[in-house]
Amino acid sequence: GENVEQHPSTLSVQEGDSAVIKCTYSDSASNYFPWYKQELGKRPQLIIDIRSNVGEKKDQRIAVTLNKTAKHFSLHITETQPEDSAVYFCAGVGSNYKLTFGKGTLLTVNP
Amino acid sequence: GAGVSQTPSNKVTEKGKYVELRCDPISGHTALYWYRQSLGQGPEFLIYFQGTGAADDSGLPNDRFFAVRPEGSVSTLKIQRTERGDSAVYLCASSPTGGQGYGYTFGSGTRLTVV
Repeated sequence: GENVEQHPSTLSVQEGDSAVIKCTYSDSASNYFPWYKQELGKRPQLIIDIRSNVGEKKDQRIAVTLNKTAKHFSLHITETQPEDSAVYFCAGVGSNYKLTFGKGTLLTVNP
Repeated sequence: GAGVSQTPSNKVTEKGKYVELRCDPISGHTALYWYRQSLGQGPEFLIYFQGTGAADDSGLPNDRFFAVRPEGSVSTLKIQRTERGDSAVYLCASSPTGGQGYGYTFGSGTRLTVV
């Protein structure tokens, strides 16, 4: 089955700086990679996703890149704001169609 | 409904007791998933329903865990003889058609504490 590794586990940045979170996956058949944001005590919410037929996708301050050859994908947040502080999870969907999550990254944006 | 609803939001139970956790998916969503999230971890897959049937229950940790979805809508996750290690947030998600991971909407979860 799919195995998703996520780094770093914690990330602290100053407001206005960029944040990058990286994930690797194991199942070469994986074709869909969503990113979720989870605030304390709340549900995971989809913030952006990418499918295997594209290499990059942007949505305002958030972008995701995918390298299928290397089997890794990354989340980029620019001009970070305090409200971006949360736990971010990457996930992959492999040949077994289930979402497999990384362990999460706690992002703290300091004002 | 407008979103995925899970009840109760919190459940405290004594070790050895039986508990039921309920998930009410978005109306019309045929696929329903249960995940378990332990503190500081990502959600881990438990079981996937397509309609009324369990298409994949490979994530259920042992035979104390069981889930049903008798009418293809509401699902109940049942845990027998609860153990302290069962303490976690149990998340439910639904999607329109199932498979591929697209279109998941998560509920707010049930925080289960076994004392």
